[in-house]
Amino acid sequence: GAVVSQHPSWVICKSGTSVKIECRSLDFQATTMFWYRQFPKQSLMLMATSNEGSKATYEQGVEKDKFLINHASLTLSTLTVTSAHPEDSSFYICSASRGTPPYEQYFGPGTRLTVT
Amino acid sequence: AQTVTQSQPEMSVQEAETVTLSCTYDTSESDYYLFWYKQPPSRQMILVIRQEAYKQQNATENRFSVNFQKAAKSFSLKISDSQLGDAAMYFCAYRPGGGAQKLVFGQGTRLTINP
Repeated sequence: GAVVSQHPSWVICKSGTSVKIECRSLDFQATTMFWYRQFPKQSLMLMATSNEGSKATYEQGVEKDKFLINHASLTLSTLTVTSAHPEDSSFYICSASRGTPPYEQYFGPGTRLTVT
Repeated sequence: AQTVTQSQPEMSVQEAETVTLSCTYDTSESDYYLFWYKQPPSRQMILVIRQEAYKQQNATENRFSVNFQKAAKSFSLKISDSQLGDAAMYFCAYRPGGGAQKLVFGQGTRLTINP
């Protein structure tokens, strides 16, 4: 159990367009989901925390209007990169937590975004 | 703010030998969790081991064990009988207690297994 999926696994988009990445908890309800960004050969950096039905909490330095996060249901959170630019190219990883002890985070397989 | 430091960017070990990856952290909290995650080339994050700060006993999972030194804020991972499949990036991570909180990751250590 505790499987998290992400779609798409790889997306290429043109500069100036928007792209949506989905994160789904397949066999559990996730009250909290997290979005991380990972640059090549670097660590994971938290972008935002989203609780179902609430506005996302963004980390300092993350542009809220550029990275739109929606957590409309207990099994789905979406990250929309608006007006994407080449510097937004990165690996985006989501994780989901049941919201019960020990509050384990289950990670999705990640989405590679390339902006041309 | 909590920080996690992994001072070894790369480590290598001979197959079947033992290797220890280092991690230190800084926090003023008393309730927290520490983790080691493995990220193979597929980039899927895999939980290796978890340690609750209130537990004095070091966590173990088969060939993986930790040396948790709370006073020194040190949390090292020992991999025994290293296998080729252990080759990956290993991240140490910290999470405050008290609910679904964010993970703070170290910089990572790339582990190579030599056959």
